[in-house]
Amino acid sequence: EAQVTQNPRYLITVTGKKLTVTCSQNMNHEYMSWYRQDPGLGLRQIYYSMNVEVTDKGDVPEGYKVSRKEKRNFPLILESPSPNQTSLYFCASSWVGRGNTEAFFGQGTRLTVV
Amino acid sequence: GQQLNQSPQSMFIQEGEDVSMNCTSSSIFNTWLWYKQDPGEGPVLLIALYKAGELTSNGRLTAQFGITRKDSFLNISASIPSDVGIYFCAGQPGGSQGNLIFGKGTKLSVKP
Repeated sequence: EAQVTQNPRYLITVTGKKLTVTCSQNMNHEYMSWYRQDPGLGLRQIYYSMNVEVTDKGDVPEGYKVSRKEKRNFPLILESPSPNQTSLYFCASSWVGRGNTEAFFGQGTRLTVV
Repeated sequence: GQQLNQSPQSMFIQEGEDVSMNCTSSSIFNTWLWYKQDPGEGPVLLIALYKAGELTSNGRLTAQFGITRKDSFLNISASIPSDVGIYFCAGQPGGSQGNLIFGKGTKLSVKP
């Protein structure tokens, strides 16, 4: 089954404690991205990756890091989480190019930073 | 950055009614996508539009890619309780590859 898998689904952590949210896709997509969703603000892109070892900042990258060492994985790293990073996070993947831009989303990770 | 204006923000309708929502942009988009998000889940693609003027249906859902390439609408006919959720439009700006811009969503509530 084609899917994007995020882990964990729920996470409560303390300010400053480094954490990683994993994302994996099995569709051989080149493009992967991370979004955060906050009430009234919709989906905002954090980082994206066009392919292995190619990453770039989205609209709200501050406080986040990503890496793309393999095509299927795109982890989101919070080196020193702060309460304003409490949010619902989504990973998505898609093919690159005008022919098909349909993004497939994971089920989300609800992060609470206290 | 670029923004999409999605309206309405929320709708409260009676079961059986038709629903219409739309997205507009100040710039041209190559692709328009419509997603639905159920509570606690990730957005799921409903309809993808790739050509100006294109009209596409998916069951009770119909969406159109505006002829100016700056807007799109989604219609839901004969709504049912399971249509409840948040609907997002998304567009791929001209000249970009892969990047999508999302609207802020339309929250739909259906009263049985």
